[in-house]
Amino acid sequence: SQTIHQWPATLVQPVGSPLSLECTVEGTSNPNLYWYRQAAGRGLQLLFYSVGIGQISSEVPQNLSASRPQDRQFILSSKKLLLSDSGFYLCAWSEGGDQPQHFGDGTRLSIL
Amino acid sequence: GESVGLHLPTLSVQEGDNSIINCAYSNSASDYFIWYKQESGKGPQFIIDIRSNMDKRQGQRVTVLLNKTVKHLSLQIAATQPGDSAVYFCAEKTSGTYKYIFGTGTRLKVLA
Repeated sequence: SQTIHQWPATLVQPVGSPLSLECTVEGTSNPNLYWYRQAAGRGLQLLFYSVGIGQISSEVPQNLSASRPQDRQFILSSKKLLLSDSGFYLCAWSEGGDQPQHFGDGTRLSIL
Repeated sequence: GESVGLHLPTLSVQEGDNSIINCAYSNSASDYFIWYKQESGKGPQFIIDIRSNMDKRQGQRVTVLLNKTVKHLSLQIAATQPGDSAVYFCAEKTSGTYKYIFGTGTRLKVLA
């Protein structure tokens, strides 16, 4: 069966520090991969998605970036974090077509 | 429902009663719909999906109804249990695209 792993579960970072959040999927090949941010009590904001290695589509221009160095690995990065980057970051995968997304357990990022 | 600031619309139901959570979607071209359950501090969990060539689909204790005429989706939970307490999101997708559009969510509270 397929599984998705996200880490770390929680992270506290100072303003201006770099960020790297990692997501890996097991048990499937060539998944579509997604990064979302969720503010408290809100819905999901799509940040990036990828339909193949090295292919990244950005939905929201900001100081975040994403990379897909391997088929089942998706990384969310920032060179300098802002206070507004605080939130709950979720990684998801899907098989493509009319199939549901499956989410990781998220990373709660707090910026001080 | 619509969210107001940080306050999700809330549905409170008595344990054992049936719950109905509603969702209005915006894109008439959407042809695939999904319901997710999100417990506090976790990622959304897939519940049930439906394609636009169907009006109704049943799972274990859950039923999804789709009314394409008025662009409305509902999730019915039979014999609601305390473990059903969570935030529920609907999502829509259009065939041939990669993005899933999420609603703002409804909080379900089950009263003992």
